[in-house]
Amino acid sequence: EVQLVQSGAEVKKPGESLKISCKGSGYSFTSYWIGWVRQMPGKGLEWMGIIYPGDSDTRYSPSFQGQVTISADKSISTAYLQWSSLKASDTAMYYCATIPTVTGWFDPWGQGTLVTVSS
Amino acid sequence: DIQMTQSPSSLSASVGDRVTITCQASQDISNYLNWYQQKPGKAPKLLIYDASNLETGVPSRFSGSGSGTDFTFTISSLQPEDIATYYCQQYDNLPGTFGQGTKLEIK
Repeated sequence: EVQLVQSGAEVKKPGESLKISCKGSGYSFTSYWIGWVRQMPGKGLEWMGIIYPGDSDTRYSPSFQGQVTISADKSISTAYLQWSSLKASDTAMYYCATIPTVTGWFDPWGQGTLVTVSS
Repeated sequence: DIQMTQSPSSLSASVGDRVTITCQASQDISNYLNWYQQKPGKAPKLLIYDASNLETGVPSRFSGSGSGTDFTFTISSLQPEDIATYYCQQYDNLPGTFGQGTKLEIK
């Protein structure tokens, strides 16, 4: 069974850094893209960016380029989403999901990681 | 970015009703359109890909149609467990933009 398991909820202060993770299992981790999706409180889904763990090819939405960094460590089948300096507006649920090709559908999804940024 | 406009933004219907949600793309996206269901407090779930293909295990009361810029998602007979927010998503171009969602409630 293909499964993505995300790291736990985080509470951070503005200006702090953060790296959340998404571990894949049940499939060839290097053969599928992984994408990240943001959902702010009470709002819809936003496509952030994707990475191909096989060669670390990464694509970002213009809205998130320069705001976050997506990476992957294929030796441990894990993708990451990181911030160097969090803002209160980064408070959201973040989901990872696999994608069959560079453009495609998200399936399956991880359970989500809630990030709360508050002073 | 391609803009995806869903309507309605919310919808109230009775069990057994036929429910239809529409999604319009700002440019031709062929059939590169997906539909997801998100229940409260849960991650989204893929229901339909390539505009009309039902994901394995998804009940046949769900269906999708359309191509180009106009797409439709239909629940043929609404069930209580279908209460959720539904999103369309295009994947013709990156970023793979989502519609704003349609919140479905039971009347």
